[in-house]
Amino acid sequence: SQELEQSPQSLIVQEGKNLTINCTSSKTLYGLYWYKQKYGEGLIFLMMLQKGGEEKSHEKITAKLDEKKQQSSLHITASQPSHAGIYLCGAVFFGNEKLTFGTGTRLTIIP
Amino acid sequence: DAGVIQSPRHEVTEMGQEVTLRCKPISGHDYLFWYRQTMMRGLELLIYFNNNVPIDDSGMPEDRFSAKMPNASFSTLKIQPSEPRDSAVYFCASSPFRLRLAGVEDTQYFGPGTRLTVL
Repeated sequence: SQELEQSPQSLIVQEGKNLTINCTSSKTLYGLYWYKQKYGEGLIFLMMLQKGGEEKSHEKITAKLDEKKQQSSLHITASQPSHAGIYLCGAVFFGNEKLTFGTGTRLTIIP
Repeated sequence: DAGVIQSPRHEVTEMGQEVTLRCKPISGHDYLFWYRQTMMRGLELLIYFNNNVPIDDSGMPEDRFSAKMPNASFSTLKIQPSEPRDSAVYFCASSPFRLRLAGVEDTQYFGPGTRLTVL
């Protein structure tokens, strides 16, 4: 979707290294969702951010939403093979109850 | 709960044939969504229902696509006639209420998807 851009499109990281994935919206969003998808499977919900400046963590994954609520980052600390997959951000915009998804970031973890 | 159930998981058909994809949402969820995922276009919303009523079908590609939800526990997405460009993974998702009103940590719950190949 042009409303939601993710970067990078793909990422190859050595096991144990940190990494960051970005999600940028062309307009202020109501809520931002992060999902993970493994090949051949559905999307698994990771986190939702709603307030400007909000930050949440789950295990080694931290997601932040900027104050303007137009950009979010997903940070993985000390990456592991289990982190490999496609990460998608999804946004709900004001006046709309649909989820719009970003283009996705394919993460590969190498030993 | 078993989560969102989709069938079949894989479907291979020939161009021109009718294809029917099925979805059973999580019990008690009022919203049901159909998505299509391709390499070129990513994840796209096709249509969604609230309490079995179609709310927004603006994402449906063309008249060859139709979706129904005859009751709260079942929905179908039909393609007739199918074309090679319809090849994609089709996901069904459900949620308990509108995302805009959802509390923190609530979301849509996705099924495993149906991988459709049209030859």
